[in-house]
Amino acid sequence: DGGITQSPKYLFRKEGQNVTLSCEQNLNHDAMYWYRQDPGQGLRLIYYSQIVNDFQKGDIAEGYSVSREKKESFPLTVTSAQKNPTAFYLCASSARNNRARGTEAFFGQGTRLTVV
Amino acid sequence: AQSVAQPEDQVNVAEGNPLTVKCTYSVSGNPYLFWYVQYPNRGLQFLLKYITGDNLVKGSYGFEAEFNKSQTSFHLKKPSALVSDSALYFCAVRDMSENSGGYQKVTFGTGTKLQVIP
Repeated sequence: DGGITQSPKYLFRKEGQNVTLSCEQNLNHDAMYWYRQDPGQGLRLIYYSQIVNDFQKGDIAEGYSVSREKKESFPLTVTSAQKNPTAFYLCASSARNNRARGTEAFFGQGTRLTVV
Repeated sequence: AQSVAQPEDQVNVAEGNPLTVKCTYSVSGNPYLFWYVQYPNRGLQFLLKYITGDNLVKGSYGFEAEFNKSQTSFHLKKPSALVSDSALYFCAVRDMSENSGGYQKVTFGTGTKLQVIP
């Protein structure tokens, strides 16, 4: 089945630790995105990548890092510099082609990160 | 700058009744508009989109939305609500005048919780 897989579903982090959230897609999409979801705030963009080996900061990139070494994979690391990391994290992908700029995004099932 | 507003945090409707979830937007050019649904602890699922053409857009699970340019609205509707429709619904917008890029250019609303009462 084509889609986006996020793992783990639940993640607990101690203060001061870095943790990495996995995101894999087999949709052959060029573009991938990480969003953070907090209650009542909708989705906020953390990082995005339009092509392998290239990524850009979104609206709330501080305390996060990413890599895009393969087209299929876009892992997100939540570093100890992120002051309030407890949230629901969503990975998404979409076609990058300009002619399809009205295309919809496909989302993973999310990772719920809790700082303990 | 573009923006999208979902004026209702929660909408309650009885099963079998018609439902409407409201969305208004603001863009400098013409909009691309999207609706997504999110079930608890799950990702967003695409429901429907407006790109151009017919103002009434039909989507998944019997949902439809009407694009109204004069009122800058894109309300989500369904003729007969099901209990299983209970979820969080997101409206999203992107300015069509943007010549490149993907979802980094999309703005999401804050979501409307739909509760269908049996």
